[in-house]
Amino acid sequence: GAVVSQHPSRVICKSGTSVKIECRSLDFQATTMFWYRQFPKQSLMLMATSNEGSKATYEQGVEKDKFLINHASLTLSTLTVTSAHPEDSSFYICSGQSDTPYEQYFGPGTRLTVT
Amino acid sequence: AQSVAQPEDQVNVAEGNPLTVKCTYSVSGNPYLFWYVQYPNRGLQFLLKYITGDNLVKGSYGFEAEFNKSQTSFHLKKPSALVSDSALYFCAVRDGADSSYKLIFGSGTRLLVRP
Repeated sequence: GAVVSQHPSRVICKSGTSVKIECRSLDFQATTMFWYRQFPKQSLMLMATSNEGSKATYEQGVEKDKFLINHASLTLSTLTVTSAHPEDSSFYICSGQSDTPYEQYFGPGTRLTVT
Repeated sequence: AQSVAQPEDQVNVAEGNPLTVKCTYSVSGNPYLFWYVQYPNRGLQFLLKYITGDNLVKGSYGFEAEFNKSQTSFHLKKPSALVSDSALYFCAVRDGADSSYKLIFGSGTRLLVRP
């Protein structure tokens, strides 16, 4: 099956700093990638949809200037959490979507802790 | 608007007994339905999907789900539960008429299989 990787798997950063999370599709081309956020014991909340070569589409309530998404190639999307604060601590999960059959393949997630 | 409901926060079952995890959905177009499993601090693993065709869908690890259009349900089942099935299960739906390909997730159901 299609594989999506995320790096890093865990990151701890200080309040006010920025953190970049990478999402890679290893064996398929993902024209669309999705970024989700998951709080403890809660469901996945879609943050944004990114299409290769164009600007990301953010869900209502998600600050686009805080969560910068870049989808520069068909196999790589990055999420940068700028000026991170403790409330940004969460589990971030990405997924890649192939052109057919329009399935999403999920990465293993990145645990962000802001101190 | 699309929505998914998982009415049970937790399902408890004894090993060897059949299990059912419930899911109901609401979409305006044709539903594309998915089940995923999540182990602690991990991403989502795909179990099965319904796009079209036979209402009974068989998936990974012995799981199956039945699409019921009249009841707008897509319950996950397994004839004989294993302790290793204990995890968090998510139902998700995509509206076939929605070109954004967004997945809407249910709130999740924690399955606990006791020895």
